[in-house]
Amino acid sequence: GAVVSQHPSWVICKSGTSVKIECRSLDFQATTMFWYRQFPKQSLMLMATSNEGSKATYEQGVEKDKFLINHASLTLSTLTVTSAHPEDSSFYICSAINGQGSYEQYFGPGTRLTVT
Amino acid sequence: KNQVEQSPQSLIILERKNCTLQCNYTVSPFSNLRWYKQDTGRGPVSLTIMTFSENTKSNGRYTATLDADTKQSSLHITASQLSDSASYICVAGGSQGNLIFGKGTKLSVKP
Repeated sequence: GAVVSQHPSWVICKSGTSVKIECRSLDFQATTMFWYRQFPKQSLMLMATSNEGSKATYEQGVEKDKFLINHASLTLSTLTVTSAHPEDSSFYICSAINGQGSYEQYFGPGTRLTVT
Repeated sequence: KNQVEQSPQSLIILERKNCTLQCNYTVSPFSNLRWYKQDTGRGPVSLTIMTFSENTKSNGRYTATLDADTKQSSLHITASQLSDSASYICVAGGSQGNLIFGKGTKLSVKP
C-alpha cells in the first residue's frame, strides 16, 4: 500500500514552454503533498507544500508564479513549470502524507525534466 | 541553522560485508529521524523512522540507531547485497513537520 506515482517519468521541452507534472496517490487519500527538486549529487530541496483545496505554501526563494501547484483532489497534485528555462532542468519528486499527524511521507518515483 | 551532515560521502564495499553510515543533525525542535534509500533516477524509499525517544529500529538487514543527546544517527547494513548499491539519505524531522535532508551517502557494493 501507500503508492505514489508521477507522470511523466521524464520530459524534454524547449525553453519558453510550460510543462505539467502529475503526482497521484494510488491507494490512499493524501491530505498533504509536497514537491521537491533535486539537482545532481545534492539533497532534496522542498519547493512547496500543498493541501487539498487550498493554495500551496512555497518555500523561500521559490517563485510561485513560475511553479504553479494545484491540489484539486485528495489523490492528485500537479506542478506546472511555466516558461521553462535550462536552469529549471532537474529531478522533480513529489511525496504525500497519508492522513494528518502521520510521520510517513511516501515519495513518488520522480520526473526528470530537461529544458533545451 | 537546521542542517544534516552525512559521512562518508561515498563508500565502496564488497558483497556480503557489513557497513555503517553516519549522520549528524542540527534540527530544533527535533521530532524524528529517518533513513531513506534512493536508487539512481528514482524517488526515496523509507527504511526506518525513529522518534526522538527511540534508540534503534530495524528493517531486515538495515538497523538504524539514534542518540538524541549527541544528535547522531547511524545506519548499519548487514551482509550487503549488490542491490544495496544506492544513495542513503538521512532526514531529520522537526516538530513543525519540516524535513531537513542530508546529501546522502553513495554506497557501491561490488562482487
